[in-house]
Amino acid sequence: AQKITQTQPGMFVQEKEAVTLDCTYDTSDPSYGLFWYKQPSSGEMIFLIYQGSYDQQNATEGRYSLNFQKARKSANLVISASQLGDSAMYFCAMREGPRKLIFGTGTRLQVFP
Amino acid sequence: NAGVTQTPKFRVLKTGQSMTLLCAQDMNHEYMYWYRQDPGMGLRLIHYSVGEGTTAKGEVPDGYNVSRLKKQNFLLGLESAAPSQTSVYFCASSYSQGNQPQHFGDGTRLSIL
Repeated sequence: AQKITQTQPGMFVQEKEAVTLDCTYDTSDPSYGLFWYKQPSSGEMIFLIYQGSYDQQNATEGRYSLNFQKARKSANLVISASQLGDSAMYFCAMREGPRKLIFGTGTRLQVFP
Repeated sequence: NAGVTQTPKFRVLKTGQSMTLLCAQDMNHEYMYWYRQDPGMGLRLIHYSVGEGTTAKGEVPDGYNVSRLKKQNFLLGLESAAPSQTSVYFCASSYSQGNQPQHFGDGTRLSIL
């Protein structure tokens, strides 16, 4: 069975510092994809970044990058230069087959001045 | 640009009542999904559809039915609401390619008394 694990229920980071949010996954399928979503207090789900299992390079999107370590089955999200607006819940998700997403339980990030 | 629109945003039901949640997307996406989000559990897939006229069960389908009569709409029905169905419900849609993210609506907060 496929599974996503986010072991950090909460994280704190000071403004302008970098922070890493952990995500490990378990799958026997050689083809898979990993997504990160942000959920601010207003409730909407915002797509941040995607990493495919066959991608050779780590994905980057602006201040977001994904530290993909395939052998360790980890896909950690790195946010550089944190901003107060980054305070939110962050969910890691894995694509199961071509269609479904399996979500982790999330990490609540709080950025303080 | 509307994206994914969910109706209603809030609803309170009594046990045993029925209701339908409506999801509409204007991005011509083939795939649509219904998730529920409960505290500390991330998002769990209820049902999904890979095209007009098709539906399939997800992780937690019991007590729900769905229909996709038109490509842009995906309906989630509760025939006899139970307190355990109190949750926040999210609709999402995506293109068929596996590297494409799911786009989410703003959610429907449903309380069953």
